[in-house]
Amino acid sequence: ETGVTQSPTHLIKTRGQQVTLRCSSQSGHNTVSWYQQALGQGPQFIFQYYREEENGRGNFPPRFSGLQFPNYSSELNVNALELDDSALYLCASRGGLAGGNTGELFFGEGSRLTVL
Amino acid sequence: DQQVKQNSPSLSVQEGRISILNCDYTNSMFDYFLWYKKYPAEGPTFLISISSIKDKNEDGRFTVFLNKSAKHLSLHIVPSQPGDSAVYFCAASARGSGGGADGLTFGKGTHLIIQP
Repeated sequence: ETGVTQSPTHLIKTRGQQVTLRCSSQSGHNTVSWYQQALGQGPQFIFQYYREEENGRGNFPPRFSGLQFPNYSSELNVNALELDDSALYLCASRGGLAGGNTGELFFGEGSRLTVL
Repeated sequence: DQQVKQNSPSLSVQEGRISILNCDYTNSMFDYFLWYKKYPAEGPTFLISISSIKDKNEDGRFTVFLNKSAKHLSLHIVPSQPGDSAVYFCAASARGSGGGADGLTFGKGTHLIIQP
């Protein structure tokens, strides 16, 4: 059973550019969520996808968007990058019903984004 | 406004002694609480959780205590081992163990250092 894998592990972008981060969910998990962890902070919920649709969102602007594919893999897209977007982006997956009360989150190692 | 607070950025404990990590929350809607452990260059790993209908949950060396009236929970590690050195995040949810469509709300973390 493979765990949650993310790519790339590190990347550097400049302000105003766009970035796409990728995530492969743990086998059998149908729900994926993304978190942003800024330096010295805890992870902050960006959004959740279930069956290829976003069904939950934290306090992030629309320039943060995502996709979930039929194989449950996922992408996080960030447009018009700002310096404050520099952070570790964590993908997490779980099984169970969307919005339901089952299944702890399993996190990937994260993608560290630096915006210059 | 931080809904989950970990007021100790770091904690140093001697090997073999008890480690006690504390967490406070403000949102009365939280009904599920989790502890995650994070090593450098790895994603957070689920450690232990507790539902609001309980006041204690134990798993081997790890015990979590919940005081709902005080909106406080603590993680006890007995005995502490060198491999326990990591950052520990307290997280809370109003929708069960996976956070549901609202995601998990994390504290800033406590860096636990176990000294030989």
